[in-house]
Amino acid sequence: GEDVEQSLFLSVREGDSSVINCTYTDSSSTYLYWYKQEPGAGLQLLTYIFSNMDMKQDQRLTVLLNKKDKHLSLRIADTQTGDSAIYFCADNTGGFKTIFGAGTRLFVKA
Amino acid sequence: KAGVTQTPRYLIKTRGQQVTLSCSPISGHRSVSWYQQTPGQGLQFLFEYFSETQRNKGNFPGRFSGRQFSNSRSEMNVSTLELGDSALYLCASSSGDTGNYGYTFGSGTRLTVV
Repeated sequence: GEDVEQSLFLSVREGDSSVINCTYTDSSSTYLYWYKQEPGAGLQLLTYIFSNMDMKQDQRLTVLLNKKDKHLSLRIADTQTGDSAIYFCADNTGGFKTIFGAGTRLFVKA
Repeated sequence: KAGVTQTPRYLIKTRGQQVTLSCSPISGHRSVSWYQQTPGQGLQFLFEYFSETQRNKGNFPGRFSGRQFSNSRSEMNVSTLELGDSALYLCASSSGDTGNYGYTFGSGTRLTVV
């Protein structure tokens, strides 16, 4: 069945780059997303990439998609303490449903 | 423009009771999706509605139901509550068009079943 997997924790120093990785299983994925969740809040859409793209850049965020390996990554440049949150990878499977990974908790050390 | 509004924010119910949660999507959005978020299971898809029609449903028992009204507002209902239903219930809206550019989430309703 459809699945999205991501590592659970990542710790980086302030000012470094963070790279959060994700793998998915669905071959018919159309859109893939990255969301951010801060404590006590819902999820916030950070960026998305269409499945026929390899890369998308949006200010400090860079998304890389390797469709052959079904691998998606999110790079955050110049990571700040305010970037500490849980980051979710998500896959629009085309069936009016988006499935989410378990989330990667990013710790940013000052 | 107003975001996605979920009410109530917090709810405490007793086992066996039923509960109704409400979601008002962003104006102009016709698709509403519901998710259950728990520490152990993460985000689990419940159902998606578009123009009052359920287009997809997740693997939840029949105790979980939903509906959407003509103004796109949506409700979900859980009957005969169990302790395991304690979770954060998130509503998300989108335009619902073929090109799905992502959801806008509400802040959620935290349901505690005691």
